[in-house]
Amino acid sequence: GAGVSQTPSNKVTEKGKYVELRCDPISGHTALYWYRQSLGQGPEFLIYFQGTGAADDSGLPNDRFFAVRPEGSVSTLKIQRTERGDSAVYLCASSLGTGISGANVLTFGAGSRLTVL
Amino acid sequence: AQTVTQSQPEMSVQEAETVTLSCTYDTSESDYYLFWYKQPPSRQMILVIRQEAYKQQNATENRFSVNFQKAAKSFSLKISDSQLGDAAMYFCAYSPFGNEKLTFGTGTRLTIIP
Repeated sequence: GAGVSQTPSNKVTEKGKYVELRCDPISGHTALYWYRQSLGQGPEFLIYFQGTGAADDSGLPNDRFFAVRPEGSVSTLKIQRTERGDSAVYLCASSLGTGISGANVLTFGAGSRLTVL
Repeated sequence: AQTVTQSQPEMSVQEAETVTLSCTYDTSESDYYLFWYKQPPSRQMILVIRQEAYKQQNATENRFSVNFQKAAKSFSLKISDSQLGDAAMYFCAYSPFGNEKLTFGTGTRLTIIP
């Protein structure tokens, strides 16, 4: 697609439930990032994919958070046993990947706002 | 660890005037990138301008320019001829060379006064 697409735009869930957030990157972008933006804060890095593999997952806060990118395109961020503190906007971004002309320029999606009641 | 600090939570400027947003950062790297992103209410982060640390010349993009002071680890954004559409949150961000992971500041909310 022309841009990075994220679904759902908004998600309201109850504490303890499981949620999935989807990111569809720009076609041809091999690098994909997930960030979490809490209210009044800047985005914080969660995980980075280069192709199908997670190259850096050092930002995932705990083992309730998991992300996949099985075919090197669409990625899903999965949150188990949601807690109220998980409420935030989850942003996805993609790029051509390090080492390629135009690297280090991320294109962001509009994010998924997660509210845990 | 790298840190990015934006000390101005809010700024306002009269339409058509000039405003400068401040950003400082801390890193032990010699090569890196610095960015300014704009986030309107739509939530999508939009790249405004980027600076490569090994380039001494300050980057410019139309009405947007930066003042990059490498020794002082300062990276301010100047917006000239401010327009109503410039109203948004502005985030300063850093990434080391060869690694696209961004570290963001806490943002500055810019209001344009008609």
